[in-house]
Amino acid sequence: AQRVTQPEKLLSVFKGAPVELKCNYSYSGSPELFWYVQYSRQRLQLLLRHISRESIKGFTADLNKGETSFHLKKPFAQEEDSAMYYCALASGSARQLTFGSGTQLTVLP
Amino acid sequence: DARVTQTPRHKVTEMGQEVTMRCQPILGHNTVFWYRQTMMQGLELLAYFRNRAPLDDSGMPKDRFSAEMPDATLATLKIQPSEPRDSAVYFCASGLVLRGLGSYNEQFFGPGTRLTVL
Repeated sequence: AQRVTQPEKLLSVFKGAPVELKCNYSYSGSPELFWYVQYSRQRLQLLLRHISRESIKGFTADLNKGETSFHLKKPFAQEEDSAMYYCALASGSARQLTFGSGTQLTVLP
Repeated sequence: DARVTQTPRHKVTEMGQEVTMRCQPILGHNTVFWYRQTMMQGLELLAYFRNRAPLDDSGMPKDRFSAEMPDATLATLKIQPSEPRDSAVYFCASGLVLRGLGSYNEQFFGPGTRLTVL
């Protein structure tokens, strides 16, 4: 069975500091990984997906199959980045998502 | 701007009462998912549908929960009877799954129904 692990429930950094949110996965097939973000009082929304290899709002995430990781990084955190971040893995015929437990990021002024 | 809608947004009920939550997926999407979010468990997948057919509901307690899609524009999640431990935010999401699309199969989430069972 697939599993997604986010070891940090809470993470605080100062504005302008680098930030890394960790995500590890366990899956027997070829992984499809995503990062979703939930800002305060807003719905969950897609931040980025590994296949796109894109940078969204300054965030990037690289799939490392050797380490089974998909860590989210940003070189200079902004206060508006404060939110709950979920790492997710898609599987099955409906591409249903298995989520990690989430990391609450707080960027301090 | 197409969005997933959910009703009601908030529901407070007493233990033992029936609760029905509704979701309108984005028109044209062929998959619908129900998730539950709690502080302790995070986001859990309860049930999901593809082309209105239920694929898996092993994530929810079958003795009290039921999920249906009466038509392509409506998905429902019912709890009967409700219990205090069911208090959570319930999210509906929809997506379009096409063969070969791979990781472009994004799920779009609704705003959630915040359920409180007293």
